[in-house]
Order: sequence, then structure tokens, then C-alpha cells
Amino acid sequence: QVQLKESGPGLVKPSETLSLTCTVSGFSLTSYHVSWVRQPPGKGLEWMGVIWGDGSTAYNSALKSRLSISRDTSKSQVFLKMSSLKTEDTATYYCARDPGIEYYFDYWGQGVMVTVSS
Amino acid sequence: DTVLTQSPALAVSPGERVTISCKASESVSTRMHWYQQKPGQQPKLLIYKASNLASGVPARFSGSGSGTDFTLTIDPVEADDTATYFCQQSWNGPNTFGAGTKLELK
Repeated sequence: QVQLKESGPGLVKPSETLSLTCTVSGFSLTSYHVSWVRQPPGKGLEWMGVIWGDGSTAYNSALKSRLSISRDTSKSQVFLKMSSLKTEDTATYYCARDPGIEYYFDYWGQGVMVTVSS
Repeated sequence: DTVLTQSPALAVSPGERVTISCKASESVSTRMHWYQQKPGQQPKLLIYKASNLASGVPARFSGSGSGTDFTLTIDPVEADDTATYFCQQSWNGPNTFGAGTKLELK
């Protein structure tokens, strides 16, 4: 069955770089697209960026200067790196699968909570 | 960016019909999608492209609308439907989400 699971540090210091991994199973990263979506505590959802099945990427312009998404298809993993972290980057970070090219998400990981604090 | 406006909260009784609205600041064609999120859980896709029921979702859920006005309907509402419901548009870049409507059962 389709599964996505995020992993990474729960606590990061301001100005540091966040590195998260999304490990997927039940589908191929070359056939589906994977996005990262985040949710600050008690707030709404923000789409961050996507890695397409062909390996190309697109980012939310609000985060583009700090964000990088990549993948390792042999390990079925998608990576997120975000630099220059601020306290307002504290959020639950989700990876989610897009079944086509229409930017909706049919499967989501359980999410990983990241706190940015000194 | 396209702003999606949702009512903050609704309270209904089990067995009733409830409509949750989402209004876009500009046309999104039919590229509107709906998710259900329960506390401590990830969002779950309910409706995609305005009116298409996602796999495994009960037929009590339905969606309608086009352009700027969209509706998610639950009929009849069950106790397990207590959750926050988010709309998301993917017509105008970047895709954006509404702030969510918290559905409570009386």
C-alpha cells in the first residue's frame, strides 16, 4: 500500500539549515510527484514545493530562496533542505503524493514536528 | 496569491446536512480540492477537482462549484465527522489552502 513517512530533527536552532527525509513505499518516485506542505501549530497549511516524477522541481516563491527539494529514487526518498531558519518556521512538515499534475494530494505522511528555537 | 476564505467554525447535530463554503479571491476554474483533518492527524483527501469523490471516501461527502464559489456538503453528518475541513486551489500558482472550517457536533 502507499505510504509516506517523514523523518528529521525535532529541534533546530535559528539560522541553521533544516534537513528532512520523506521515505515512500507502494509507488515509484519516477511516476508520481511529491510535495512538501507545512502547518504551524494551530494554523493552516502552506504548500512549500514539489519534485516532479521527471526530477524537476518547483517552489513556493515565498520560500524559494531558502528551499531545496531533491530525491534518491534508488532509496525511494525525497529530501527537503531549508536554510536560514527562523522561529516562524516552527511547524509540522508533511510530504504528500500528487497522483497527477494537478497539485492535489491523495496520500500524506504522518508529519514531523520541527521546532526552531535556541 | 489566491486567497481562499472559509467560515471559521460550524456546529451541527448528527443526521443533519451541513455545507462548508470556500470562496476564492479569483477564479480557480474547478481546481478546488477538499481535505479533512482530525486533531493530531495528517490531512485526508475527500474531494478533488471540485466534485470528484476520493477513493474510499463515503458518498455522504460531496463537492460542487466552479470559478470562485465552492461547497463541501456532508449529508448526513455523523459523529466521526468532527474535524477541520480545508479547501485547496491548484489553478493559480502557488497553490494555496483556506484557513479551515472546524466542524463540531452538538
